[in-house]
Amino acid sequence: AQSVTQLGSHVSVSEGALVLLRCNYSSSVPPYLFWYVQYPNQGLQLLLKYTSAATLVKGINGFEAEFKKSETSFHLTKPSAHMSDAAEYFCAVSEDFGNEKLTFGTGTRLTIIP
Amino acid sequence: DARVTQTPRDKVTEMGQEVTMRCQPILGHNTVFWYRQTMMQGLELLAYFRNRAPLDDSGMPKDRFSAEMPDATLATLKIQPSEPRDSAVYFCASGFGGANYGYTFGSGTRLTVV
Repeated sequence: AQSVTQLGSHVSVSEGALVLLRCNYSSSVPPYLFWYVQYPNQGLQLLLKYTSAATLVKGINGFEAEFKKSETSFHLTKPSAHMSDAAEYFCAVSEDFGNEKLTFGTGTRLTIIP
Repeated sequence: DARVTQTPRDKVTEMGQEVTMRCQPILGHNTVFWYRQTMMQGLELLAYFRNRAPLDDSGMPKDRFSAEMPDATLATLKIQPSEPRDSAVYFCASGFGGANYGYTFGSGTRLTVV
């Protein structure tokens, strides 16, 4: 069965500092991996996805993530945090066609300190 | 931008009443998901459809929940009778078949059962 573990339910960084949100996955087959962002009282918005092409994936709003098979990780980073990045971030894993349901992690709430 | 439309946005109902939530997927998307989000359980998959056929509804309490796609432009999630523990935000998401495409989420229906 596929699963995702997000380390740290809350992360605080100063404006302008590096953002690092951690995600480790478990999957019996090569996975598809996603990061979604959720702003208060809104739905989930896709930030980026890994689908077995390049291991370094660039997404919207300056975020990127690197797929590391040896570490079963897919950490999300942004070089310089902005106040507008404050939100909840979810890592998700899916397998292939026929079992493409998303399994989400428990989320990481990102707070930006002015 | 194309979007997934969910109605109603908010619903307050009394215990025992029937609740119906509706979702209009993005035109052309053939895969539709229903997720429930709570503080305690996070994001849980309730059911999903491909080409209007249910593929997996193992996450849904069968005795009170039902999910259908009467046509390609409408997905419904019904709870009868509703209970306070059903209070949650219910999200619909749609996409093309195959996880590598990613999925677009609606803004959700916030259900409160009193």
